[in-house]
Amino acid sequence: AQSVTQLDSHVSVSEGTPVLLRCNYSSSYSPSLFWYVQHPNKGLQLLLKYTSAATLVKGINGFEAEFKKSETSFHLTKPSAHMSDAAEYFCVVRYNTGGFKTIFGAGTRLFVKA
Amino acid sequence: DAGITQSPRYKITETGRQVTLMCHQTWSHSYMFWYRQDLGHGLRLIYYSAAADITDKGEVPDGYVVSRSKTENFPLTLESATRSQTSVYFCASSGTSGNNEQFFGPGTRLTVL
Repeated sequence: AQSVTQLDSHVSVSEGTPVLLRCNYSSSYSPSLFWYVQHPNKGLQLLLKYTSAATLVKGINGFEAEFKKSETSFHLTKPSAHMSDAAEYFCVVRYNTGGFKTIFGAGTRLFVKA
Repeated sequence: DAGITQSPRYKITETGRQVTLMCHQTWSHSYMFWYRQDLGHGLRLIYYSAAADITDKGEVPDGYVVSRSKTENFPLTLESATRSQTSVYFCASSGTSGNNEQFFGPGTRLTVL
């Protein structure tokens, strides 16, 4: 069965320090992978996506993610956190199984301390 | 304006009433989706549509009805609202390729008293 696991429900970092949000997936198919961000009381915004091209994907606002097939992981990183990065982040996997199936991770809330 | 819009943004209703949430997109995307977001559950797919007049159930379809007579609109109806349907509802759309990301509307916060 396909699934997405975000390994941390909450992550807290200090401003200026690196961010790591972890995501693992299981799949019998070749997936497309996405990271979305949701600021409080807002809709979801795409940060970046992996679609079987380069395994290191760069997104908006300095975020990037690396697809590691051997580890079935797609972790999101940023070298230096900013206060405005405080939000909830969702890892999303999409499969083409005759009809597109999309699975959301449960989300990771990122706190950034001054 | 181009994009995806939802209406109303906020709705309070009573148990047993019928409620319709509207979703409109201007990109002519083939796929449209309805999700609900609840604490501890992330986003869960209610229904999706691959094209006009083609809809299919998602993970949590019970108590909901959808239709898609036009490509740009995808209304979600709660036929007889229950308190457990209190949630934030997001509509999304995407193109036909599996590589296409979904674009999300701003959400509708529904409270069922």
